[in-house]
Amino acid sequence: GENVGLHLPTLSVQEGDNSIINCAYSNSASDYFIWYKQESGKGPQFIIDIRSNMDKRQGQRVTVLLNKTVKHLSLQIAATQPGDSAVYFCAENIPGENTGFQKLVFGTGTRLLVSP
Amino acid sequence: EAQVTQNPRYLITVTGKKLTVTCSQNMNHEYMSWYRQDPGLGLRQIYYSMNVEVTDKGDVPEGYKVSRKEKRNFPLILESPSPNQTSLYFCASRRTGSLYNSPLHFGNGTRLTVT
Repeated sequence: GENVGLHLPTLSVQEGDNSIINCAYSNSASDYFIWYKQESGKGPQFIIDIRSNMDKRQGQRVTVLLNKTVKHLSLQIAATQPGDSAVYFCAENIPGENTGFQKLVFGTGTRLLVSP
Repeated sequence: EAQVTQNPRYLITVTGKKLTVTCSQNMNHEYMSWYRQDPGLGLRQIYYSMNVEVTDKGDVPEGYKVSRKEKRNFPLILESPSPNQTSLYFCASRRTGSLYNSPLHFGNGTRLTVT
């Protein structure tokens, strides 16, 4: 498989547990945030997003929390399953750069390992 | 099936030998982009294209070229590859307009090794 996770922090959980993955973002002007899931040998896959005017957003088994005060984002996965094992990373959108088009800045990610 | 297709998946080459990594999307997306992914670093943008015949540099464009002659294709060209271009490359596409309603779709990556 790909070695993109070679130097990543790792979160190990048991199947059925809830998982929390954290991300510190860099720019206080960022107005939009995305969580991606990257399985071995595959490209990043969109999971959930949140705008800066919100502090919580829920999807199917996933919740994203945004704390703009400390520039922190978290992804909560309920009832984690072995199929959730992957690298998860956040991205922030910095408005106003690059001739007005949005610019995404990606985090380095966390590896989630789910044991049956 | 809506997808972004990159070829090849794996490529080993030698310094200085020109190569092209192809990218094609079937979603009629205007925006396409190339990224590289290296251990310990987040995805970094190489080049992007807002539409046909419109391309612009990303954060790490040195040593790369792109072209956008057709809407569906966005090849990445390394005229004279060097070992520091050994990396995992991703192509992505999305509709233009607000990022909120048009997430990036990524290909499955091309692992390039330059010796």
